[in-house]
Amino acid sequence: QVQLVESGGGVVQPGRSLRLSCAVAGFTFSSYGMHWVRQAPGKGLEWVTVVSHNGRNNYYADSVKGRFTVSRDNSKNIVYLEMNSLRSEDTAIYYCAKDAGGMKYYFDYCGQGTLVTVSS
Amino acid sequence: QSALTQPASVSGSPGQSITISCTGTSSDVGGYNYVSWYQQHPNKAPKLMIYDVTNRPSGVSSRFSGSRSGNTASLTISGLQAEDEAVYYCSSYTSTSTLVIFGTGTKLTVL
Repeated sequence: QVQLVESGGGVVQPGRSLRLSCAVAGFTFSSYGMHWVRQAPGKGLEWVTVVSHNGRNNYYADSVKGRFTVSRDNSKNIVYLEMNSLRSEDTAIYYCAKDAGGMKYYFDYCGQGTLVTVSS
Repeated sequence: QSALTQPASVSGSPGQSITISCTGTSSDVGGYNYVSWYQQHPNKAPKLMIYDVTNRPSGVSSRFSGSRSGNTASLTISGLQAEDEAVYYCSSYTSTSTLVIFGTGTKLTVL
């Protein structure tokens, strides 16, 4: 069955960097786009970024553009989210999610998330 | 815009039907057939319930249906059950600089 497991979350100081990973199984990873979606404590969902199936195209929310970078390793079935210049408002649970196709703009499977806390 | 507009809360009794609205613009909800709906129970990951405005993934109950009129999409749940109590989010492709936008979320209470 489809599995997505995020890791790499933790407590980090403002201005520092953190890299999240999402290991997947149960589907042909190289055929699907992958999203990151986040949810601040007690708040709603916010789309963060998506990377195309081959890693050549990616898009970002305005709130993270220029600070976050998404990438993927299709040989390892892993998608990454490199987060730089972190701010307190980046504190959230980060979910990785499988696009329903190459780029369908919605996701059909989602991991359980990893918590990132930006605090001094 | 930063988020699609949804009512903060809706409620209904078991067996009744409810509808949740999701209002956007012609740059998102009204302009493209890429509206989706997610259900999120407390401390759980979101689950896809509707995609491409009206389509239901396999495994999702036929009690859930989607529609759209102009710039407003709607999720209707018929025959309400206790397990439907959750927060529901709409989402849409947007032609603005951000590719995907979520709604503000609606908490459904089953009385």
